[in-house]
Amino acid sequence: VQLVESGGGVVQPGKSLRLSCAASGFSFSSYSMHWVRQAPGKGLEWVALTSKDGTTKFADSVKGRFTISRDNSRDTVYMQMDSLRAEDTATYYCAREFSGPNWFDPWGQGTLVTVSS
Amino acid sequence: QSALTQPASVSGSPGQSITISCTGTRSDIGGYNYVSWYQQHPGKAPKVIIYDVSDRPSGVSDRFSGSKSGNTASLTISGLQAEDEADYYCSSYTSSGTRVFGTGTKVTAL
Repeated sequence: VQLVESGGGVVQPGKSLRLSCAASGFSFSSYSMHWVRQAPGKGLEWVALTSKDGTTKFADSVKGRFTISRDNSRDTVYMQMDSLRAEDTATYYCAREFSGPNWFDPWGQGTLVTVSS
Repeated sequence: QSALTQPASVSGSPGQSITISCTGTRSDIGGYNYVSWYQQHPGKAPKVIIYDVSDRPSGVSDRFSGSKSGNTASLTISGLQAEDEADYYCSSYTSSGTRVFGTGTKVTAL
């Protein structure tokens, strides 16, 4: 069971970035998937979820700017991040909601997004 | 969607027990038995140690235990060991269907 994030990097304020999270070792379509971020030296912040039925929810801090989607044929979850701000700088983790709700296991290794001019 | 409130730091001597609190509202912790706890070592991804308030995933030491009373959840580490030094985060399901994490607690073994 593994999650591997990609797509992070340095981006200017106001620009866009798309993160990917490739899953393996489990039946991807049967689980809700989440994105959680952690600003440098700070705590965890829940960002977004896509349920197995395609329902999506977002934290207020990213609502209207971020979009989450999934491709069950590719076992991949995506997060499209638009209108990026300096405060979006963080390591972004994807996580499977194993059971629950609210039991995240496993987590990916994270991908760093830096928003800076 | 305010973060759940945790103490910034908790410390104890090896072998002692320590407890970390996590305070929310009726809309999250108080309304559901969907509280989980995560351990995070520096530079590593978080790892679940408690789910559904008090259940432990297989492979997690029974020195970790969870409970809840009203709007406050708690994590107890019994027989504190040096390897338990890490950051700990609580998390809860919310009435809006989102999730919320706690502010985080740094645990130190003196």
